[in-house]
Amino acid sequence: GAVVSQHPSWVICKSGTSVKIECRSLDFQATTMFWYRQFPKQSLMLMATSNEGSKATYEQGVEKDKFLINHASLTLSTLTVTSAHPEDSSFYICSARVPPGTANSPLHFGNGTRLTVT
Amino acid sequence: AQSVAQPEDQVNVAEGNPLTVKCTYSVSGNPYLFWYVQYPNRGLQFLLKYITGDNLVKGSYGFEAEFNKSQTSFHLKKPSALVSDSALYFCAVRDIRDNYGQNFVFGPGTRLSVLP
Repeated sequence: GAVVSQHPSWVICKSGTSVKIECRSLDFQATTMFWYRQFPKQSLMLMATSNEGSKATYEQGVEKDKFLINHASLTLSTLTVTSAHPEDSSFYICSARVPPGTANSPLHFGNGTRLTVT
Repeated sequence: AQSVAQPEDQVNVAEGNPLTVKCTYSVSGNPYLFWYVQYPNRGLQFLLKYITGDNLVKGSYGFEAEFNKSQTSFHLKKPSALVSDSALYFCAVRDIRDNYGQNFVFGPGTRLSVLP
């Protein structure tokens, strides 16, 4: 089955530093990947759609300069949280669909990254 | 606009008993419906989906879901719950006209606890 690998699974960083999270599709090529944020006991909030070879599409209210997304290859998308602050502490999850990716295709998720900013 | 409601934050059931996790949806066109399960500090795992055809859909780990168009519901069910089924369950909907994934809407989640 389709596997999405996310790394690291958890990270602790100091306030003001930047953190990079990687999302890889291991056995398929993903032209589009999705980044979600999940607060405790809440649902997933779509942050942005990452498109290979072009700029990401951000959801309303998500700061694109703070959450930098790069999708440089068909198997890798990265999310960089710049100048992290404690309020950025959260669980970040990426997902992708196996091409051709029609509307009835399920999303395949990474295992998430728990970010704690101290 | 699409939306998904899961009216119960928490469902408790005894091991061996049947379980139901409720989901209702709202979408302008015809829906594709999905159920996912999330274990602590993990991503979401796909359980099952409804596209068309038979209203009763069978999925992974013995789960099934029943699509009811008149009630706009897609409740998740399992005849006999296991302690290992304890997790967070998400219902999701997508408009069939959407091929790019931006309109994949998740419900708020229901925490299922199966008691031994």
